Amino acid sequence: SQELEQSPQSLIVQEGKNLTINCTSSKTLYGLYWYKQKYGEGLIFLMMLQKGGEEKSHEKITAKLDEKKQQSSLHITASQPSHAGIYLCGADWGPTGNQFYFGTGTSLTVIP
Amino acid sequence: DTEVTQTPKHLVMGMTNKKSLKCEQHMGHRAMYWYKQKAKKPPELMFVYSYEKLSINESVPSRFSPECPNSSLLNLHLHALQPEDSALYLCASSPKGDPGQVTQPQHFGDGTRLSIL
Repeated sequence: SQELEQSPQSLIVQEGKNLTINCTSSKTLYGLYWYKQKYGEGLIFLMMLQKGGEEKSHEKITAKLDEKKQQSSLHITASQPSHAGIYLCGADWGPTGNQFYFGTGTSLTVIP
Repeated sequence: DTEVTQTPKHLVMGMTNKKSLKCEQHMGHRAMYWYKQKAKKPPELMFVYSYEKLSINESVPSRFSPECPNSSLLNLHLHALQPEDSALYLCASSPKGDPGQVTQPQHFGDGTRLSIL
């Protein structure tokens, strides 16, 4: 069963547009991670959030974790074709990190 | 370039074959993971090794046999696989090992694309 839901499932945007991907957990998170995956390749770590209300940025990507630590958003500003891929949130539901699951994924296409 | 190296990149095998997938990292990480990923699905956790000991087995069939010979290496031995086992197999490692430690992000290899004939 999927306890970590992402929305939208897929997204097609024009280059230069902003976009947001959401990740919602059915329970409180110990840690929330964002990864990017190109088709058939490994996952690239983007950011980790642990504290309620935390916000991190890297280049044009910003991720936030809400105060209750049950929802996170990933925002891309002025999207580029290089941002295309599958974005996955991953969650730790225990302090040991041995309860790690991925969200359902969001496929992003950026049209030049 | 990834710091977690997986070999081979592609593997085609028959249902009666025995083969192994290999994963190597030299970041000093003490937790290592195997994931299975089917097309258009997120990775699913299979096994977790912490300090070279198996700590998690997510109800994986016995035709998959993990092995962690040392802190840098992780193998996945395959025997009598089924066509539905065809998938991308991903290895990951993380610095975290002890219970109660603050969680740390996992670093992934590029995966092995496995096809069962």
